[in-house]
Amino acid sequence: QVQLQESGPGLVKPSETLSLTCTVSGGSISNSYWSWIRQPAGKGLEWIGRISASGSNNYNPSLKSRVTMSVDTSKNQFTVKLTSVTAADTAVYYCARGEWLTWGQGILVTVSS
Amino acid sequence: DIVMTQSPDSLAVSLGERATINCKSSQSVLYSSNNKNYLAWYQQKPGQPPRLLIYWASTRESGVPDRFSGSGSGTDFTLTISSLQAEDVAVYYCQQYYSTPFTFGPGTKVDIK
Repeated sequence: QVQLQESGPGLVKPSETLSLTCTVSGGSISNSYWSWIRQPAGKGLEWIGRISASGSNNYNPSLKSRVTMSVDTSKNQFTVKLTSVTAADTAVYYCARGEWLTWGQGILVTVSS
Repeated sequence: DIVMTQSPDSLAVSLGERATINCKSSQSVLYSSNNKNYLAWYQQKPGQPPRLLIYWASTRESGVPDRFSGSGSGTDFTLTISSLQAEDVAVYYCQQYYSTPFTFGPGTKVDIK
């Protein structure tokens, strides 16, 4: 059974770049699309975007100017970078597999000086 | 973007009674070439990631109790919990994966009456 684990800094300063990695275990990253979703405390779910093993991607237009995703098939990992962060980017960030999504445990990222 | 709405915002149901959650999409998520509705349902408990319950609008994920069922087509969908158990207290989300950006409903909170 495929498992996903997010990793990265839990605290990012305003105007800097948020960078998170998702490690896929129990299966190959080559067999699906891989998404990032975020959830501010007490709020709903926002899909950030997705990437395939070949590097094909789709980003949410609301974040497209600030988002970059990449994939490292040799490490079975994929990453998201979000530039110029503000307090509004504080959220739990999830990585997930597929179109109907199976999720990692999530990582809280706080944007604060 | 496809806008997802849910009703009610919250509901309280007695143990053993039926709970019904509605989800509506701003455009059809039925793909005519395969006659599949690109609609999923998730359950989220506090401090946990969302858990996939239903995909293709009515296909139960492996391991999901059969008291959970999904129905509907086109733009109108329903998640039914046939006999509410204490462990079903959670927020429930619908999600369309018909087109990017994937979008989620705002969630319906289910409690025990």
